Amino acid sequence: SQELEQSPQSLIVQEGKNLTINCTSSKTLYGLYWYKQKYGEGLIFLMMLQKGGEEKSHEKITAKLDEKKQQSSLHITASQPSHAGIYLCGADMGRRALTFGSGTRLQVQP
Amino acid sequence: DSGVTQTPKHLITATGQRVTLRCSPRSGDLSVYWYQQSLDQGLQFLIQYYNGEERAKGNILERFSAQQFPDLHSELNLSSLELGDSALYFCASSPLGGRNTEAFFGQGTRLTVV
Repeated sequence: SQELEQSPQSLIVQEGKNLTINCTSSKTLYGLYWYKQKYGEGLIFLMMLQKGGEEKSHEKITAKLDEKKQQSSLHITASQPSHAGIYLCGADMGRRALTFGSGTRLQVQP
Repeated sequence: DSGVTQTPKHLITATGQRVTLRCSPRSGDLSVYWYQQSLDQGLQFLIQYYNGEERAKGNILERFSAQQFPDLHSELNLSSLELGDSALYFCASSPLGGRNTEAFFGQGTRLTVV
């Protein structure tokens, strides 16, 4: 969706390196969801952010929502091969269902 | 395991045919969402049902329809299939029908139209 831009489209990193994925909306968001998808499989819920400035962490993954609630970043520290997959941001824009970004394909090289 | 079950996992069918995809939501979830994921369009919302009633429509074609049954499972019917309908179809469920609820996704049904 052009309302929600996700970058980069793909990323190749060496194991142990840090990385950041961004998700930018043209509108203020009611909430922002991060999902991970392994190739051809279902989406795994990672985190949900609702408040401006909110930050959540789970294991080595940290997600933040900016104060204006228009941009979110997903940061992975010390990446591992198990982090490989497609990361999708889903935005609550006040509609019934989420609007998804185009996804970031992450490869982690051992 | 998200608790959302979709069947079948894979489906191969010919153009012009009709198929039915099935979704069982997580226990207790009243809301079911259907999404289509294709390479060129990404993940697109099709339709939402809440407790048996249609709640919201997205980019769903007229050839597609859905329903949610009293036991809350849902079916997505795709008819007059075209090559471009080949995609992953996901079902998601959430406890309520409103916003700001986590949506749990099934493993998807991969539809190939030949």
